[in-house]
Amino acid sequence: DAGITQSPRHKVTETGTPVTLRCHQTENHRYMYWYRQDPGHGLRLIHYSYGVKDTDKGEVSDGYSVSRSKTEDFLLTLESATSSQTSVYFCAISESTGGGNQPQHFGDGTRLSIL
Amino acid sequence: RKEVEQDPGPFNVPEGATVAFNCTYSNSASQSFFWYRQDCRKEPKLLMSVYSSGNEDGRFTAQLNRASQYISLLIRDSKLSDSATYLCVVNGGFKTIFGAGTRLFVKA
Repeated sequence: DAGITQSPRHKVTETGTPVTLRCHQTENHRYMYWYRQDPGHGLRLIHYSYGVKDTDKGEVSDGYSVSRSKTEDFLLTLESATSSQTSVYFCAISESTGGGNQPQHFGDGTRLSIL
Repeated sequence: RKEVEQDPGPFNVPEGATVAFNCTYSNSASQSFFWYRQDCRKEPKLLMSVYSSGNEDGRFTAQLNRASQYISLLIRDSKLSDSATYLCVVNGGFKTIFGAGTRLFVKA
């Protein structure tokens, strides 16, 4: 299995609080991604990174920010969590981006509940 | 039209059956294709890549039809353990697009 660790695995928090999810990889892959997965929507890209300090928005980036200060770590922050951000969050990594032929590999996911 | 479309199912089949899933994509410039498997409450896992000439991995066969812009996954001799959601994934134009998945239930 790809060396991807997400933390925390589960979190329950209240509306309005800040939340940070961490993704750590040991594969030295250039590309890292954050997705959310909700019933009826499948996987939706929040943000991705193509190198240290290089990030870009995905299709559902509102309310989220990311940072990548080291190759191995990609952080997702909800500045002020809302109930609509209750979801399962997956981190993924790949050696190349969508224009290449390398697949993405996923972490175990973080189940986030915002009350 | 969605960029990648799959029949959501569910497909309910008996053990030993052969089942096929199709997936259509809209971007003719798409370059690479994959099938993933996702078990309930788990992460998606790569099942197999899909090559232009078609490819097989044990009981699983993947095919690509660029002219009609679809990929398929055939599962032969279904096992109970094949019960999962199967995601079609398309790379192209610097984007990776995931289908919403097809649910498969294999029953004894």
